Amino acid sequence: DTAVSQTPKYLVTQMGNDKSIKCEQNLGHDTMYWYKQDSKKFLKIMFSYNNKELIINETVPNRFSPKSPDKAHLNLHINSLELGDSAVYFCASSRAEGYGYGYTFGSGTRLTVV
Amino acid sequence: LAKTTQPISMDSYEGQEVNITCSHNNIATNDYITWYQQFPSQGPRFIIQGYKTKVTNEVASLFIPADRKSSTLSLPRVSLSDTAVYYCLVGRSNDYKLSFGAGTTVTVRA
Repeated sequence: DTAVSQTPKYLVTQMGNDKSIKCEQNLGHDTMYWYKQDSKKFLKIMFSYNNKELIINETVPNRFSPKSPDKAHLNLHINSLELGDSAVYFCASSRAEGYGYGYTFGSGTRLTVV
Repeated sequence: LAKTTQPISMDSYEGQEVNITCSHNNIATNDYITWYQQFPSQGPRFIIQGYKTKVTNEVASLFIPADRKSSTLSLPRVSLSDTAVYYCLVGRSNDYKLSFGAGTTVTVRA
């Protein structure tokens, strides 16, 4: 009965490959997000979707493409992976009202590009 | 979002009270103050939110002075399992661009 689940938990791949990370939430939230956490623990928002529509794209390279088939799912596809893409990626969700009602995060996907 | 400043790290011992102060001098009238906790290999977890004065729940207390330019998260009687990174965030209810700083790494020792 995990609220926000993401798969895989670990992902090791070579430079230049294409990979996807999946996220699903069963909270009935209208808004979903992708965050990237670097080695210094900074969590930066990448994308935000509200009811399947993109509302935030924080100057993320075009190699990153989010897809939201329905409001319970937000997947992240990454093309031509680079060494600098290595990080932990977190999916999160919230009510449509956003920040004021708290965010629920998944447990993260640790991506290592070699 | 209003910028926040908090200590990089704090050490404590089991049974002690831990107080983490966050500065947010540019907080706006409509902004709330929210704290998240992140354990290793997990995503951040919402622990408490407030607007002014004092808020208390089963996990922590949040103290906000009248000028709202700072806030203090208080963790009573910490245990080893409270070792985590604690993030202070300031923003308004319709803000979809929640971003986290480096947080405060709290280490609780036996």
